[in-house]
Amino acid sequence: GENVEQHPSTLSVQEGDSAVIKCTYSDSASNYFPWYKQELGKRPQLIIDIRSNVGEKKDQRIAVTLNKTAKHFSLHITETQPEDSAVYFCAARTGAQKLVFGQGTRLTINP
Amino acid sequence: SQTIHQWPATLVQPVGSPLSLECTVEGTSNPNLYWYRQAAGRGLQLLFYSVGIGQISSEVPQNLSASRPQDRQFILSSKKLLLSDSGFYLCAWSAGEYGGYTFGSGTRLTVV
Repeated sequence: GENVEQHPSTLSVQEGDSAVIKCTYSDSASNYFPWYKQELGKRPQLIIDIRSNVGEKKDQRIAVTLNKTAKHFSLHITETQPEDSAVYFCAARTGAQKLVFGQGTRLTINP
Repeated sequence: SQTIHQWPATLVQPVGSPLSLECTVEGTSNPNLYWYRQAAGRGLQLLFYSVGIGQISSEVPQNLSASRPQDRQFILSSKKLLLSDSGFYLCAWSAGEYGGYTFGSGTRLTVV
């Protein structure tokens, strides 16, 4: 089955700097890659996603890139702000219509 | 618009007691439905998913079960809870192959 590895597990950056979180997946048939943000005690919320026929997608300060050949995708957050502090999860969707999640990255933005 | 309801928000249950968590979706038909569990400070573990009424796929063998008695209703159950069943239970739905998941607000279960 699909396996998703996410790195790093924790990330601390200065406010205003950029943050990058990377994920790799194992199933070449996976075709949809969302990213979720989870604040403490709350539900995960979708922040950006990308389909396998697209290499890059951007939404304001957030961007996702996908390299199908290497089977990895990354989340880029620019001009980080304190409210970006949260746990971020990547995921990959298999043909069985289920999402397999990475283990999460705890992002801390230092003022 | 579509909404997902999950209840209760918190639950404290003794070991050996039964469990029933319910999730309903409004504003869509034939959604894919999922139950995930999240241990404290950990990732999201898929427990069950359903692509239609009466169709349940189990991901992890355990003392939990799931049922989908109606198109937009998904229930997670246990006959006898274990301490290891404690966690944050999340229901989610999606529409179609490229539909992103929308999660319910979750149930924080503590087994004592």
